[in-house]
Amino acid sequence: QLQLQQSGPGLVKPSETLSLTCSVSGDSIVSRSYYWGWIRQPPGKGLEWIGSIYNVGTRYSNPSLKSRLTISVDTSKNQFSLRLTSVTAADTAVYYCASHPDFAEYFHHWGQGTLVTISS
Amino acid sequence: DIQLTQSPSFLSASVGDRVTITCRASQGISSYLAWYQQKPGKAPNLLISAASTLESGVPSRFSGSGSGTEFTLTISSLQPEDFATYYCQQLNSYPLTFGGGTKVEIK
Repeated sequence: QLQLQQSGPGLVKPSETLSLTCSVSGDSIVSRSYYWGWIRQPPGKGLEWIGSIYNVGTRYSNPSLKSRLTISVDTSKNQFSLRLTSVTAADTAVYYCASHPDFAEYFHHWGQGTLVTISS
Repeated sequence: DIQLTQSPSFLSASVGDRVTITCRASQGISSYLAWYQQKPGKAPNLLISAASTLESGVPSRFSGSGSGTEFTLTISSLQPEDFATYYCQQLNSYPLTFGGGTKVEIK
């Protein structure tokens, strides 16, 4: 059974970089079966897809974040990561890592979520 | 981007009620739609994929229907554990988008 475990700081200063990691267990992150993605949810609001990566190559990003966004895979640690630069208060949200099968973007597996607050 | 509009955004219902939530897409998405349930402080849980396919372990009181631009999620007999927020998601095209959510509360 695939499991996702998130880690990273809960507080980031404005203009700095938000970095989160998602550790994968139950399968290899280079499995051809899954895409690895990030979704966020501002407090009291709905869900926003951030981006997804397939293996170590193919990436899809939300155009609203693309210029500030990096999603990468570390195969040696079976992890994938999110980096969002130049953050503002509008980036305050619960961030989830999630996965979907390569044949359809239904998010079957989710991390526990990390509340990231952007504040000085 | 494909916009998904859910209605209602909030509904109050009693245990045993039949509940229907609608999700309308700004353009046709065939059957590329999912439904999720989210409880406070928890990650969303996939209920239905491909507009009408019930995920393993999801109670049969949940059902989905629709194609093109209009979709529905129905709970045939609302149970206490069903009080939550429900989201639709389209996967017809990138960027993936979600509806604004429907919060189901106890009357």
